[in-house]
Amino acid sequence: DVKVTQSSRYLVKRTGEKVFLECVQDMDHENMFWYRQDPGLGLRLIYFSYDVKMKEKGDIPEGYSVSREKKERFSLILESASTNQTSMYLCASSPPGPLIDEQFFGPGTRLTVL
Amino acid sequence: GQNIDQPTEMTATEGAIVQINCTYQTSGFNGLFWYQQHAGEAPTFLSYNVLDGLEEKGRFSSFLSRSKGYSYLLLKELQMKDSASYLCAVRDKAAGNKLTFGGGTRVLVKP
Repeated sequence: DVKVTQSSRYLVKRTGEKVFLECVQDMDHENMFWYRQDPGLGLRLIYFSYDVKMKEKGDIPEGYSVSREKKERFSLILESASTNQTSMYLCASSPPGPLIDEQFFGPGTRLTVL
Repeated sequence: GQNIDQPTEMTATEGAIVQINCTYQTSGFNGLFWYQQHAGEAPTFLSYNVLDGLEEKGRFSSFLSRSKGYSYLLLKELQMKDSASYLCAVRDKAAGNKLTFGGGTRVLVKP
């Protein structure tokens, strides 16, 4: 079974702090994704990566950056956290190929920025 | 751009059938996914449609009409554990084959 883990289930940070959200998958998937989920807005793609050291902006990249130094690990970075980044953050991975196939999600990190 | 619409909330009785509709507008349709998400948990894959017609998986079925930009997820013989949010997601060639998700439909199953 694919396992996607995220470093924290709950996180509370202060405005202006630098925040790191870590995601690790154990199935050797090339593709990894970071989403945020807000009520009524569904899942919105922040960044994704097709391979190590490769990253692509999603639909809402502003205020975020990512790092993919190893295949199994994809990190989301909030350079200077703001209250409007309070949200549920979900990481996902999917097998390689030209199509984005079934995605496997981590349990999510609920981030509160005060 | 893409627009994916699904109802916000539905209520149904245990043992009944519920149909969750999803309409979409996309310039390069290349597949539609349904995910289930229980409160506080990760979304899990339910079904995938890329050709017109019905895909059946036990109590769950998903239908697609590409010409109408329409899909539905049918949940039969509802059980209490089916209370969850159901997410419709569309894959679009024009968007690099990424998935775009609808807002989700919260289904509440009552005894």
